[in-house]
Amino acid sequence: QAGLTQPPSVSEALRQTATLTCIGNNDDVGNGGAAWLQQHQGHPPKLLSYRNNNRPSGISERISASRSGNTASLTITGLQPEDEADYYCSAWDNSLNVWVFGGGTKLIVL
Amino acid sequence: QLQLQESGPGLVKPSETLSLTCTVSGGSLTTNHYYWAWIRQPPGKGLEWIATMYKTGTTDYSPSLKSRVTVSLDTSKDQLSLRLRSVTAADTAIYFCAGGPWQQPDYWGQGTLVIVST
Repeated sequence: QAGLTQPPSVSEALRQTATLTCIGNNDDVGNGGAAWLQQHQGHPPKLLSYRNNNRPSGISERISASRSGNTASLTITGLQPEDEADYYCSAWDNSLNVWVFGGGTKLIVL
Repeated sequence: QLQLQESGPGLVKPSETLSLTCTVSGGSLTTNHYYWAWIRQPPGKGLEWIATMYKTGTTDYSPSLKSRVTVSLDTSKDQLSLRLRSVTAADTAIYFCAGGPWQQPDYWGQGTLVIVST
């Protein structure tokens, strides 16, 4: 099954805003929205948002997510060094009944 | 606080069967509306979904792995299990179990590295 499309890397300066994108199709992102996961080297993924813009308890308000059509976005404001990590989007493909992931975006905080 | 912990051999020979267990503590596999998944990550690469299960036994599998994978829940022990048959080097990965409401994987194990090699 095809996965979701994410840029391999995004670089942004400290204290600035980074926006990460995730492109899917009508059956996955466009249907039920996306979830976003953050993964630091050597650690398991951590859920940042689900169903487009719901934040689990304890997730910083600097993090927000949205969706426009088949594209999901994750925005992180006031970038901090600890935001440097890999970010994955995921969604359920309602047509194929599969859980698809993006290839991940490495966020580099300059 | 729900916690998940994967366990199993870290080394499996090619053509053999990889078997892993994920033990859930601080909660139960029978929690309503909670789904349980296996996901893997080859070294230095992205996440790959393997399967998702619900307490009723309903299971969805990745089409690319379906012919070789069996997953199950033991609700009496609060354990998930994964069996992957006929492994090759391409199955070398960190294997994670995860759980939470539908498409909301709130809880993850630390992951266990499985190397397929002679």
